[in-house]
Amino acid sequence: DTGVSQNPRHKITKRGQNVTFRCDPISEHNRLYWYRQTLGQGPEFLTYFQNEAQLEKSRLLSDRFSAERPKGSFSTLEIQRTEQGDSAMYLCASSLPIIGTGELFFGEGSRLTVL
Amino acid sequence: KNEVEQSPQNLTAQEGEFITINCSYSVGISALHWLQQHPGGGIVSLFMLSSGKKKHGRLIATINIQEKHSSLHITASHPRDSAVYICAVLDMRFGAGTRLTVKP
Repeated sequence: DTGVSQNPRHKITKRGQNVTFRCDPISEHNRLYWYRQTLGQGPEFLTYFQNEAQLEKSRLLSDRFSAERPKGSFSTLEIQRTEQGDSAMYLCASSLPIIGTGELFFGEGSRLTVL
Repeated sequence: KNEVEQSPQNLTAQEGEFITINCSYSVGISALHWLQQHPGGGIVSLFMLSSGKKKHGRLIATINIQEKHSSLHITASHPRDSAVYICAVLDMRFGAGTRLTVKP
């Protein structure tokens, strides 16, 4: 399968624990995006990378959130000291930068439940 | 006010009807995306467009850059078209989505 891969697909954790999600984009895609989606809402932008450089971070990305893409391939999103409000679907997407914005390919998402 | 506004929020149609979903945005853009999300499923990109009109099967997307408005049309709607349709612009500002239900 050459699509965008995310894992784990589901994560249940207790409040205060740290969690990490991984995203493997389509191999030739140099742009990688992280979003958060809660029930009934559209996705909210969190951050994006062009290769290994993190080019933009949303104000939604508090100090407890950190994202990395160390070699410009896969990316990780870590949430420290999780809170119940962090419960959401975390989506990853990748694209080529075609004329500034390429077609997006999304992973299936990682659903986080914080108890 | 959100940078991306979609209407309607919810839409119920009978099979075979012509569907229109609208998206208005307030930022300058180079391209706009229409996305589809099925319940419990991932998001699929339907269209990326920067001008004019694109057609794929029964789906048609149009954009008017001057008016900052785009529409997604579905001809001869079918129950399998039931999903949430989302428009997104720029560095991924998303509309809240339009939940479409097509009844047989």
